[in-house]
Amino acid sequence: NAGVTQTPKFQVLKTGQSMTLQCAQDMNHNSMYWYRQDPGMGLRLIYYSASEGTTDKGEVPNGYNVSRLNKREFSLRLESAAPSQTSVYFCASSKQGASGNTIYFGEGSWLTVV
Amino acid sequence: EDQVTQSPEALRLQEGESSSLNCSYTVSGLRGLFWYRQDPGKGPEFLFTLYSAGEEKEKERLKATLTKKESFLHITAPKPEDSATYLCAVQGFYNDYKLSFGAGTTVTVRA
Repeated sequence: NAGVTQTPKFQVLKTGQSMTLQCAQDMNHNSMYWYRQDPGMGLRLIYYSASEGTTDKGEVPNGYNVSRLNKREFSLRLESAAPSQTSVYFCASSKQGASGNTIYFGEGSWLTVV
Repeated sequence: EDQVTQSPEALRLQEGESSSLNCSYTVSGLRGLFWYRQDPGKGPEFLFTLYSAGEEKEKERLKATLTKKESFLHITAPKPEDSATYLCAVQGFYNDYKLSFGAGTTVTVRA
């Protein structure tokens, strides 16, 4: 049972280059998320998709775009990478329920922008 | 805006030495409070969800409790394999199912 799968796991970019982080989940979840994690700052939400066909900004959306390709897949694109985007990126998914919404995470993508 | 503060930032324990981690929160209508464990180089792993004050949940040596303002994660007789960063997050009724995370507490258990 794969859960949430992200690719690539590691990437080095030059300033100004573009790239897309791919994410897929096999749990039939409605909602998907992209977070970034930086030392001392915890996990911060970049974008999320509450359901297929919708996307919304989180806390730190500047410099990023997303695409909810279908129910399983949610990609994150950096159009012109900047050193401030050096971080660990986590994709996550959840099945919304009346009593709460447990979010399950992928293994992370380490991105360095030089 | 939802806020989560975890303390201490780091905790060093001897094997068998019980302790507690604190998570203080403010949220407009708590839907759920979540605890995750994160190992180095890995994604957060779900541990517990607490929904209302007074609720408690246990898993092996871990026990999570919830009040109206904070949650505690108690580690009883820890082992070296309990070493990890523990993350707390809250979800409110009015924030569209998003989680707001604290910065985490890094626990190191020495044999």
